Amino acid sequence: QVQLVQSGAEVKKPGASVKVSCQVFGYTFTSYAISWVRQAPGRGLEWMGWVSTNNGNTNYAHKVHGRVTMTTDTSTSTAYMELRSLTSDDTAVYYCARDGVGVAPGGTFDIWGHGTMVTVSS
Amino acid sequence: DIQMTQSPYSLSASVGDRVTITCQASQDITNYLNWYQQKPGKAPKLLIYDASILETGVPSRFSGSGSGTDFTFTITSLQPEDIATYYCQQYDSLPFTFGPGTKVDIK
Repeated sequence: QVQLVQSGAEVKKPGASVKVSCQVFGYTFTSYAISWVRQAPGRGLEWMGWVSTNNGNTNYAHKVHGRVTMTTDTSTSTAYMELRSLTSDDTAVYYCARDGVGVAPGGTFDIWGHGTMVTVSS
Repeated sequence: DIQMTQSPYSLSASVGDRVTITCQASQDITNYLNWYQQKPGKAPKLLIYDASILETGVPSRFSGSGSGTDFTFTITSLQPEDIATYYCQQYDSLPFTFGPGTKVDIK
């Protein structure tokens, strides 16, 4: 069964960092890239960036560029998203999603993780 | 960035009604448009890609059309399980952007 399993909820203080994991099951990890999308409480969806599971190439949205790092571990079929210098504006549910098969972000997200709630609060 | 707008913001319809949502892009995105369904507390689900192609396993009462800047999403006969928020999303250029969503509920 194809699924993306994410790590559990996190509570962080302003200025801290958070690292969310996304483990892939049911297909070959390196066959598809991973995008990360977040959703603040009661708000819409925001694409954060993309990581190639083949070569580790990344493409980040300018809103989080400089604070985010997306990586992969092919030995465990896991993708990671680390966000630094957290503020209350980063409080959101963070989703990983399967992206396309190309060497650049595809933009069609056909399988999603269940989401990881990150709360930033002093 | 390409801005996506949707209308209406929310709607209430009866079971069996035809429901239509529109999505407009701030510039030409040809047919690089997806539609997602999100139920409360759940992750989004891909329903339609390339503006009009139904994802495998999605009921045929869902459909999409349009190209360029104007797109339409239709539920031909609303069912109770269709209560959700629907989002359009463009993938013509980076950063990928979503519409603000349309909340659909039962009258």
